Amino acid sequence: GQQLNQSPQSMFIQEGEDVSMNCTSSSIFNTWLWYKQDPGEGPVLLIALYKAGELTSNGRLTAQFGITRKDSFLNISASIPSDVGIYFCAGQGGSEKLVFGKGTKLTVNP
Amino acid sequence: NAGVTQTPKFRVLKTGQSMTLLCAQDMNHEYMYWYRQDPGMGLRLIHYSVGEGTTAKGEVPDGYNVSRLKKQNFLLGLESAAPSQTSVYFCASSPGRGVGQFFGPGTRLTVL
Repeated sequence: GQQLNQSPQSMFIQEGEDVSMNCTSSSIFNTWLWYKQDPGEGPVLLIALYKAGELTSNGRLTAQFGITRKDSFLNISASIPSDVGIYFCAGQGGSEKLVFGKGTKLTVNP
Repeated sequence: NAGVTQTPKFRVLKTGQSMTLLCAQDMNHEYMYWYRQDPGMGLRLIHYSVGEGTTAKGEVPDGYNVSRLKKQNFLLGLESAAPSQTSVYFCASSPGRGVGQFFGPGTRLTVL
């Protein structure tokens, strides 16, 4: 089946630093999504991307839909302690189903 | 709007017992999904539904059954629970294809 490679698996950064994570796929997707999951909670949709090359921001978060449609990245600028959590990418092709990456665990040291 | 809600939040079962997890959404979404999340495995799709009265198998459907008798509800059943089904279960809903899914808060299930 389809798989997404999400990297890095974990990150330890200082408050105020910028963060970058990415996902790559062997398949083409029509939609890329980025979710954040806090401990004990369900994933929350942060950003949705629908067009190759699209660059979308949500506050300090910026995500891009790769030109090849096989990759996407998420940047977080000026990290703060509440950015801690697990970030998941997800891609959707022609079906009703999403393919998820295995997540990037972010730790922010104050 | 409550969004996606799940009942119960926690449950402990003994091997062989049965139970039903309830998912409800008040957003009039057509599509609903059940996932399980295990450490290091990410989110894996169990079953999903593209409309009232329809269900389909996902990536890991064995040992589970589902029903979608009403548009707003999606039930996940375990007929004979096994320790391998210890996990956190998430329900999600979506208004359509390619527009993202919205998740509930999860049910933490332990099978002894």
